[in-house]
Amino acid sequence: ETGVTQTPRHLVMGMTNKKSLKCEQHLGHNAMYWYKQSAKKPLELMFVYNFKEQTENNSVPSRFSPECPNSSHLFLHLHTLQPEDSALYLCASSQKASGMDEQFFGPGTRLTVL
Amino acid sequence: GENVEQHPSTLSVQEGDSAVIKCTYSDSASNYFPWYKQELGKRPQLIIDIRSNVGEKKDQRIAVTLNKTAKHFSLHITETQPEDSAVYFCAAGDGNNRLAFGKGNQVVVIP
Repeated sequence: ETGVTQTPRHLVMGMTNKKSLKCEQHLGHNAMYWYKQSAKKPLELMFVYNFKEQTENNSVPSRFSPECPNSSHLFLHLHTLQPEDSALYLCASSQKASGMDEQFFGPGTRLTVL
Repeated sequence: GENVEQHPSTLSVQEGDSAVIKCTYSDSASNYFPWYKQELGKRPQLIIDIRSNVGEKKDQRIAVTLNKTAKHFSLHITETQPEDSAVYFCAAGDGNNRLAFGKGNQVVVIP
């Protein structure tokens, strides 16, 4: 698959589990993003990475931990989540992290926390 | 920070009619306004965008208009088709790393 890929597509975890979400972009972009999408709410920006450096942490609880080893890969490590963290987690990338460039989204990971 | 509001939250239109969705934003420094379409179970995809140096942009059946004085921009879909049924998100960007998204509008095209 080209563009932005995410794995897994679906994840069910207990509150004591530790899991990771993976995102990979094949577009040669320099910026990557994590968003949380919940029903009836705007897309919530969680983290922004520009050239592997974190440039934005939008007051996200520490139970979410991002990692960006290179410009093509982005991870979101999850631990001791709460049921209200259940949502669709979308990864996106853009040429640069200016807020002025088209963002290309991945298919998302549907997360359910029991 | 930027606050983006979308109206209406749900819009039903008869196939062939036009649909208009309006967004308002709060930060006068915003100068990039994209619209994303998200079909059920799929990822959001950019359908059209506009920058503050123009007032209108058109791409086939889709157009976006921008009123910077009033701080609102609108998406116009003409000759709607069933495949236009989706959630449409507007966003505003000011060049400071982030896009602020609205809550989304559910558009239903009735055959």
